[in-house]
Amino acid sequence: KAGVTQTPRYLIKTRGQQVTLSCSPISGHRSVSWYQQTPGQGLQFLFEYFSETQRNKGNFPGRFSGRQFSNSRSEMNVSTLELGDSALYLCASSAWGAGAYEQYFGPGTRLTVT
Amino acid sequence: AQSVTQLGSHVSVSEGALVLLRCNYSSSVPPYLFWYVQYPNQGLQLLLKYTSAATLVKGINGFEAEFKKSETSFHLTKPSAHMSDAAEYFCAVSLTGANNLFFGTGTRLTVIP
Repeated sequence: KAGVTQTPRYLIKTRGQQVTLSCSPISGHRSVSWYQQTPGQGLQFLFEYFSETQRNKGNFPGRFSGRQFSNSRSEMNVSTLELGDSALYLCASSAWGAGAYEQYFGPGTRLTVT
Repeated sequence: AQSVTQLGSHVSVSEGALVLLRCNYSSSVPPYLFWYVQYPNQGLQLLLKYTSAATLVKGINGFEAEFKKSETSFHLTKPSAHMSDAAEYFCAVSLTGANNLFFGTGTRLTVIP
C-alpha cells in the first residue's frame, strides 16, 4: 500500500496570505488528523476528520480550518498567515476498527511564512 | 487532562550500548501510550504502542517499552544502539485510543561510533 502523501512538500508564503495543504491517506483509512510541529511548541494536534466530519479539534485559532472529502482526502487551510505559522504540518491517517489506534504519518509540508 | 514529559532533550550513547529514553505521563484515565521516531526531514514512524494489553511492549527495530502504572512511566529501551538509531524520539498519549495525540517535547538520540 502506498503511504500517506502530502502536497506540496515545501511552501513559502507571505504574511497575510492564505494557504491550503493537501493530504491523501492510506487507501482504506477513514480518519485523517493534522498536527503542527515547531521548534518552540513541539508537536500539537490541530484537528481530526472522520467520514467528512470533524471529530476532534485542538486549541488553535479559527484561522486554521480543514475539511475531508468523500474519498477521505483532506485539506487544511490557514488564512491570514502570521510569521508564527511557519512550521512542519504533518498529516496522519488511521483505519477504523481493529488497530484504529495506530496512526501513519506523512512526510509533512514545510510552510515558511515571510 | 493528559500530558507527557520526556526527561532529557538530548541523549548520547555509544554504539552497542543500552538506549534508555524516559517518558512519564499524566492521565486521569487509563492511557494509550506510543513511541514515535522521526528522522531528519521525515514524518513520524510508530515504534510501538501500549493499549492496555501486555505491560511490556515490543516494537520495531529492537525497541521495547514497559508500562509501569505505579511510576506513571513508559520508558523506551533498546539493548544495543546502532548508528541508524540516531533520530528524534517522541512519546505520546491519547485517551480511549482517540486519534488526537498529545506529544512530549522529544528526545534527540545521538549514537557515538
